[in-house]
Amino acid sequence: DTGVSQNPRHKITKRGQNVTFRCDPISEHNRLYWYRQTLGQGPEFLTYFQNEAQLEKSRLLSDRFSAERPKGSFSTLEIQRTEQGDSAMYLCASSLRVSASTDTQYFGPGTRLTVL
Amino acid sequence: GENVEQHPSTLSVQEGDSAVIKCTYSDSASNYFPWYKQELGKGPQLIIDIRSNVGEKKDQRIAVTLNKTAKHFSLHITETQPEDSAVYFCAAPRNSGNTPLVFGKGTRLSVIA
Repeated sequence: DTGVSQNPRHKITKRGQNVTFRCDPISEHNRLYWYRQTLGQGPEFLTYFQNEAQLEKSRLLSDRFSAERPKGSFSTLEIQRTEQGDSAMYLCASSLRVSASTDTQYFGPGTRLTVL
Repeated sequence: GENVEQHPSTLSVQEGDSAVIKCTYSDSASNYFPWYKQELGKGPQLIIDIRSNVGEKKDQRIAVTLNKTAKHFSLHITETQPEDSAVYFCAAPRNSGNTPLVFGKGTRLSVIA
């Protein structure tokens, strides 16, 4: 399978605990995006990388959230001191940026987080 | 920034009929419009996209039309099948040339056999 992969697929945690999610993009894709999706809504942008550089963070990304892409391949998203409002599907997408035109994003299966 | 509105929120059609989902956007500089299909418990799957230099694009039973003057684009599914049942999302770039996407709220399509 050469698509975007995410682990774990499901995570249940207690409020106040830290969690970390991993995303492996499509091979050779230089851009990687994180989105969050709550029930009945479309995905909302959180942050994205070009290679190892984090280019932008959304206002949705509070100080408790941190994302890394240390070698320009896989990425991790960590949430510290989880709150019940963090319960959502966390989606990763990747794309190949080759020109100034908008690149096509391919999504992974997501990690569903439930905070009790 | 971009704002994307999507209608209807739910749509039921008989198997074999056509389905049309419409989206409007606010930024006249937007130049890329993808459509995603999301099945329960899965991530969004790109089904078709269109760039602003064309008015229509087809891929088998799926087509997308774009009206830049009116700032709206539509997804057309012909000869619907039960496996087309899913939630469909339209999207547009948040800012001109900036690829984080802004999504509509989705349309739940039910194809009744």
